[in-house]
Amino acid sequence: DVKVTQSSRYLVKRTGEKVFLECVQDMDHENMFWYRQDPGLGLRLIYFSYDVKMKEKGDIPEGYSVSREKKERFSLILESASTNQTSMYLCASTSDTYEQYFGPGTRLTVT
Amino acid sequence: SQQGEEDPQALSIQEGENATMNCSYKTSINNLQWYRQNSGRGLVHLILIRSNEREKHSGRLRVTLDTSKKSSSLLITASRAADTASYFCATAAYYGNNRLAFGKGNQVVVIP
Repeated sequence: DVKVTQSSRYLVKRTGEKVFLECVQDMDHENMFWYRQDPGLGLRLIYFSYDVKMKEKGDIPEGYSVSREKKERFSLILESASTNQTSMYLCASTSDTYEQYFGPGTRLTVT
Repeated sequence: SQQGEEDPQALSIQEGENATMNCSYKTSINNLQWYRQNSGRGLVHLILIRSNEREKHSGRLRVTLDTSKKSSSLLITASRAADTASYFCATAAYYGNNRLAFGKGNQVVVIP
């Protein structure tokens, strides 16, 4: 079975801090995605990557950056956390089949 | 980007009843998928239907796709308390690096 893990289930950070969210998948998938999920807004794509060192902006990239140095790992970086980045962050991966496998999510609170 | 929109947003039913959710989208698609999310957890893939398919079954799930109306429905038959979750539809374009556009979700509560 595909397994996607995220570094933290819950995270509390202060405004202005640099935040790293890590995602690791164990199925050699080429494509990885970061979403944020907010009540009433559904899932919105922040960034995705279709290969090592490759990245593309999603629908809401502002305030975020990503890093993919190894195929299995995709990191989301909040350069200077703000309260409007309080959200549930979901990582997903897929091969060429379109079906996405999700991690358990990280609930980030910025105070 | 295209986006699925589910209707209705919240559904409360008795155990054993059927639950139906609908999803509409705006542009041409390669496939449409349904996902389930239990409270506070990640999404789990349920079923994928391709644009050239009209109906698909998986266990107690039945999905239909009408590309002329740009809509899909998900039917859960003989619902169980464990089916209580949010359900999302997601569409994939023909050219999109495997990107999916998700709807806002449909909350289903199955009362034992």
